[in-house]
Amino acid sequence: SQQGEEDPQALSIQEGENATMNCSYKTSINNLQWYRQNSGRGLVHLILIRSNEREKHSGRLRVTLDTSKKSSSLLITASRAADTASYFCATPLSGGGADGLTFGKGTHLIIQP
Amino acid sequence: DAGVTQSPTHLIKTRGQQVTLRCSPKSGHDTVSWYQQALGQGPQFIFQYYEEEERQRGNFPDRFSGHQFPNYSSELNVNALLLGDSALYLCASSLRRGRAYNSPLHFGNGTRLTVT
Repeated sequence: SQQGEEDPQALSIQEGENATMNCSYKTSINNLQWYRQNSGRGLVHLILIRSNEREKHSGRLRVTLDTSKKSSSLLITASRAADTASYFCATPLSGGGADGLTFGKGTHLIIQP
Repeated sequence: DAGVTQSPTHLIKTRGQQVTLRCSPKSGHDTVSWYQQALGQGPQFIFQYYEEEERQRGNFPDRFSGHQFPNYSSELNVNALLLGDSALYLCASSLRRGRAYNSPLHFGNGTRLTVT
């Protein structure tokens, strides 16, 4: 079973607009990660946020984490055509440590030029 | 600095056959994890190898087995292939030694396995 679930499943926006996608998870975690996957290729790590952090920025990415609601959001500002990809949140299988990750089904983001 | 490399990139096998997939981790990494990604789904954790031992396993039958070599490279073996094993198999490496938290995974581009 998948712990993290992204919402929406698909999102289409105009270039330059902001894109927001959400992730919900079920059990306590000590960190949450976001990954991007371009069609048919491997995943690329975007950002890791620890359970004691509420917000983290990396370039045009902003991630929030609300452990009380067991949810996270990924905001991409000023979107570009190259941001078209699937985005996944991932949480540790056992809550934390050097564990495997469980991924959601992803949000497929399409940036219209 | 080479990233994670996987071979082969594509493979077609017949139901009942056996397959071996290979992975070389990113330089400096000591841990290899394998994931199965069906079309339209997120990756599913198969298992993780560290110090040549299987450290954690996902919900996969023992038809799926693996190995890690002293140079940290890894193999994934699948026996008695089923049609449902058709998927993209992703290898990911990370650095585990001395870390309390998950370190980011570096993924290869995967092996596309088709079982007919």
